[in-house]
Amino acid sequence: NAGVTQTPKFRVLKTGQSMTLLCAQDMNHEYMYWYRQDPGMGLRLIHYSVGEGTTAKGEVPDGYNVSRLKKQNFLLGLESAAPSQTSVYFCASKRDYEQYFGPGTRLTVT
Amino acid sequence: AQSVSQHNHHVILSEAASLELGCNYSYGGTVNLFWYVQYPGQHLQLLLKYFSGDPLVKGIKGFEAEFIKSKFSFNLRKPSVQWSDTAEYFCAIYRAAGNKLTFGGGTRVLVKP
Repeated sequence: NAGVTQTPKFRVLKTGQSMTLLCAQDMNHEYMYWYRQDPGMGLRLIHYSVGEGTTAKGEVPDGYNVSRLKKQNFLLGLESAAPSQTSVYFCASKRDYEQYFGPGTRLTVT
Repeated sequence: AQSVSQHNHHVILSEAASLELGCNYSYGGTVNLFWYVQYPGQHLQLLLKYFSGDPLVKGIKGFEAEFIKSKFSFNLRKPSVQWSDTAEYFCAIYRAAGNKLTFGGGTRVLVKP
């Protein structure tokens, strides 16, 4: 099992550009999550999904959109990137109460 | 709203020293508690978890944590650290009704050889 994978690993965007981050899991988990990690702030939940075709807002959803068209994939989109979105993004999937994290995507917006 | 506080942002230790990291949470109901570790350049890994039963839980790599319900605390301990324990440690709580984890701000631990 590959577990939770994320693409890309690194990306640099200019302000106003758009991009999509892909998260994939091969564990058949229903729940998936997108977090951002910023120094001193831990991980903050952006959006999450409790199953295929569903999404819900987390703690910091503004400026992001998500889609869960297939159970194994959870996409995070930035329509118009801003420097405040410079961060490390982690995806996770959940079984019971335990979350399994991907390796992260480091995004820099200039 | 629930919150999780980690008291120390940075800790510097020498090898063989003992480590204790504090974690307090604000939610009064039933919670599940976790400690995650993030080694440099890597993703988060589960260190240990508490759901119910014995409030002293043991995790991987010699770590343990004690749940004290009356103090809303879940402190992490290791009697003797190694250089390889250099990492960032995150406390997190989970309420089933909320379907999500709430993380503390993290503690960066540097173990000097």
